[in-house]
Amino acid sequence: GQNIDQPTEMTATEGAIVQINCTYQTSGFNGLFWYQQHAGEAPTFLSYNVLDGLEEKGRFSSFLSRSKGYSYLLLKELQMKDSASYLCAVRDSNYQLIWGAGTKLIIKP
Amino acid sequence: ETGVTQTPRHLVMGMTNKKSLKCEQHLGHNAMYWYKQSAKKPLELMFVYSLEERVENNSVPSRFSPECPNSSHLFLHLHTLQPEDSALYLCASSQDEGLAGSDTQYFGPGTRLTVL
Repeated sequence: GQNIDQPTEMTATEGAIVQINCTYQTSGFNGLFWYQQHAGEAPTFLSYNVLDGLEEKGRFSSFLSRSKGYSYLLLKELQMKDSASYLCAVRDSNYQLIWGAGTKLIIKP
Repeated sequence: ETGVTQTPRHLVMGMTNKKSLKCEQHLGHNAMYWYKQSAKKPLELMFVYSLEERVENNSVPSRFSPECPNSSHLFLHLHTLQPEDSALYLCASSQDEGLAGSDTQYFGPGTRLTVL
């Protein structure tokens, strides 16, 4: 079967750095997405990785290793507004998105 | 972000009611999706429309009936639902770019559905 694993919940301190991991086992690979979802709101697109390596976008970076079936989302200089759920999704060989259950990130002052 | 809108935002219905959810995208995309989001579970893809044709139907019960009259509008018709159907229903759209594109999906805010 196809599976995306990410931690259920993480806690971090304002101003710090946090890394949210995602591991996947899918039938084929055609890209990995990270989305942010605040409570009661729409998921919003953060990043897309299809090649190995690090993609940086301001305070957020996403890393991919296809050989290890592994990605992480790195958030720097954490702000209270970063408290949200972070969803990892992988597009498989049929171009279907397989979603993780999301990681709820709690930021403390 | 108002690229994808959904109405209503909240809906409470009895098991014998018939209601419809509406989604509209203003991004010029050619594909639209319905997802179900339950607490602490992965997003469940329900239906996919590409160029107004249904291309995916993931074993969804017949009490959910989608309709896509044009590339900007998507409906989900609901009838004789069960309490376990209570969830957040999300609509998304993307531009199908074939093998070369990321086909990033953009989501609406969702309809919070409660079935009594």
